[in-house]
Amino acid sequence: QKEVEQDPGPLSVPEGAIVSLNCTYSNSAFQYFMWYRQYSRKGPELLMYTYSSGNKEDGRFTAQVDKSSKYISLFIRDSQPSDSATYLCAMKEMANAGKSTFGDGTTLTVKP
Amino acid sequence: DTAVSQTPKYLVTQMGNDKSIKCEQNLGHDTMYWYKQDSKKFLKIMFSYNNKELIINETVPNRFSPKSPDKAHLNLHINSLELGDSAVYFCASSQESRGVSGANVLTFGAGSRLTVL
Repeated sequence: QKEVEQDPGPLSVPEGAIVSLNCTYSNSAFQYFMWYRQYSRKGPELLMYTYSSGNKEDGRFTAQVDKSSKYISLFIRDSQPSDSATYLCAMKEMANAGKSTFGDGTTLTVKP
Repeated sequence: DTAVSQTPKYLVTQMGNDKSIKCEQNLGHDTMYWYKQDSKKFLKIMFSYNNKELIINETVPNRFSPKSPDKAHLNLHINSLELGDSAVYFCASSQESRGVSGANVLTFGAGSRLTVL
């Protein structure tokens, strides 16, 4: 069983929809939770990260962490065609310097 | 000005050949990485160097040999290439000094797509 499982997708939504991207994990030592966005033929780029449980908002993006359920989400409000990409969750233990464990990614298409 | 640059972008080669991928970062980061991304988009860490010292070496065949001549450069040499080595290899860097843990925010290069025929 993988340490990090991500909803596989692909996901296709109309422009303006609210998108929910989700990951579950099994390692209770994970303390840092990251979301990366990867456009086709490009490297992943960090969208946002959170530490421990709670919510974090950045513009149209909200990251949510529920450590009791070992579940994290990324919400995208008012989705745009430019949001079409693969979204990767990643997680890291406090003590394990330099090692992030990634989910498999969810490919999102936002149709105009 | 590209933060993490890797060359070449594309590599097509025959089984059994040896190839190298080079990576340079101009962010002043202490730590550099090689990740492998398979056709299903799964990103797996291969190696990590902090200030030229190897700190992560995941179960990677010893046909793969990383080399870090200085903290701004990390190269990957692959011997005796196999079909299963076909993937996109990403170089990344982060400002994560040894012994200090943080969020491990990675800056990735654009990737080197390796195809082994």
